[in-house]
Amino acid sequence: AQRVTQPEKLLSVFKGAPVELKCNYSYSGSPELFWYVQYSRQRLQLLLRHISRESIKGFTADLNKGETSFHLKKPFAQEEDSAMYYCALSGGSYIPTFGRGTSLIVHP
Amino acid sequence: DSGVTQTPKHLITATGQRVTLRCSPRSGDLSVYWYQQSLDQGLQFLIQYYNGEERAKGNILERFSAQQFPDLHSELNLSSLELGDSALYFCASSETSGYTGELFFGEGSRLTVL
Repeated sequence: AQRVTQPEKLLSVFKGAPVELKCNYSYSGSPELFWYVQYSRQRLQLLLRHISRESIKGFTADLNKGETSFHLKKPFAQEEDSAMYYCALSGGSYIPTFGRGTSLIVHP
Repeated sequence: DSGVTQTPKHLITATGQRVTLRCSPRSGDLSVYWYQQSLDQGLQFLIQYYNGEERAKGNILERFSAQQFPDLHSELNLSSLELGDSALYFCASSETSGYTGELFFGEGSRLTVL
């Protein structure tokens, strides 16, 4: 069965510090990985997906099939990055599966 | 707004009662997903409909049921409510029946069972 693990419930950093939100997955096949973000009082929305290989709001994520990871990174955190981040996996015959989420707090 | 809309936004009810949550998908999207978000549980998949037909089922309780109507809106029915059913219920839609691509989420319906 597919599974997405986000080991950190909460990540607290200061503005300007690097950020890495961890995501590990288990999946048999070729997964499609996503990061979704939920800012305060807003709906859950797509941040980025691995097939796009793009940087959104300074965030990047690289799919590492060997380590079955899809960690989200940003070199310099901003206060407006404070939000709930969800890693998600889908593809093939598997319905989109979400991790438990990591709350990122960026202090001024 | 042609995004996913969910009603009601908030609902408070008592144990043993029955409620219906409603979702209208994005214009043109045929797939509707329902997720439950409880404290510390993340997003748990409940059920998916595609063009009126049930497509996939997750850990949905027998007390819960859903359907998608010809106009593509969906309803999630929760009956014999228990305290543990208190959660945020999200609806999401996508263009296709397959499990690739982006999901578009509604703002959620927060259910409180007292």
